[in-house]
Amino acid sequence: NAGVMQNPRHLVRRRGQEARLRCSPMKGHSHVYWYRQLPEEGLKFMVYLQKENIIDESGMPKERFSAEFPKEGPSILRIQQVVRGDSAAYFCASSLDRTGEYGYTFGSGTRLTVV
Amino acid sequence: GEDVEQSLFLSVREGDSSVINCTYTDSSSTYLYWYKQEPGAGLQLLTYIFSNMDMKQDQRLTVLLNKKDKHLSLRIADTQTGDSAIYFCAESIRKLTFGSGTQLTVLP
Repeated sequence: NAGVMQNPRHLVRRRGQEARLRCSPMKGHSHVYWYRQLPEEGLKFMVYLQKENIIDESGMPKERFSAEFPKEGPSILRIQQVVRGDSAAYFCASSLDRTGEYGYTFGSGTRLTVV
Repeated sequence: GEDVEQSLFLSVREGDSSVINCTYTDSSSTYLYWYKQEPGAGLQLLTYIFSNMDMKQDQRLTVLLNKKDKHLSLRIADTQTGDSAIYFCAESIRKLTFGSGTQLTVLP
């Protein structure tokens, strides 16, 4: 079991470009969560998805950000027209169910730098 | 609402015990977690406790939960330099809500 896989590990984008971050959950996990960590800060919840459905997007900025978790393939966090303030580490976590009884496993993150 | 608070910094000498404290606001939290983050790395789950428990011990780690005061602590016995990292507590109500993290520095 390879754990939660995120790619790329590092991503550099110019202002105005699009960033696509991928997350493959642990085998058997159908619940995926995205978090953002700004420099020197804690993790802030963005969105919770369960196969093909967005369950909670209360932490997602209203514009430019979107997330999906298709039936086949990884979950994608998409940031359009990136700005310098989007520079952060983006972490994905997966869980077996929504109760948290079995814990949440995190990936190593994607560090986005907007230049 | 969900709010988790931690002190920002803690320094201890190698071999001493470290105690990292956390308070949370939502009494309906079912599980409470401790994660460790080393520089440039992701989050590693250290331990977690179900809300109907008072204490959980796992080797050098002891978690204490005071549900009445909504206070959670992590004690690391015989702290080593490899324990230097940021420690996050988190509560779970359908998703994880994190504290701001405590930077633990272990001095030789």
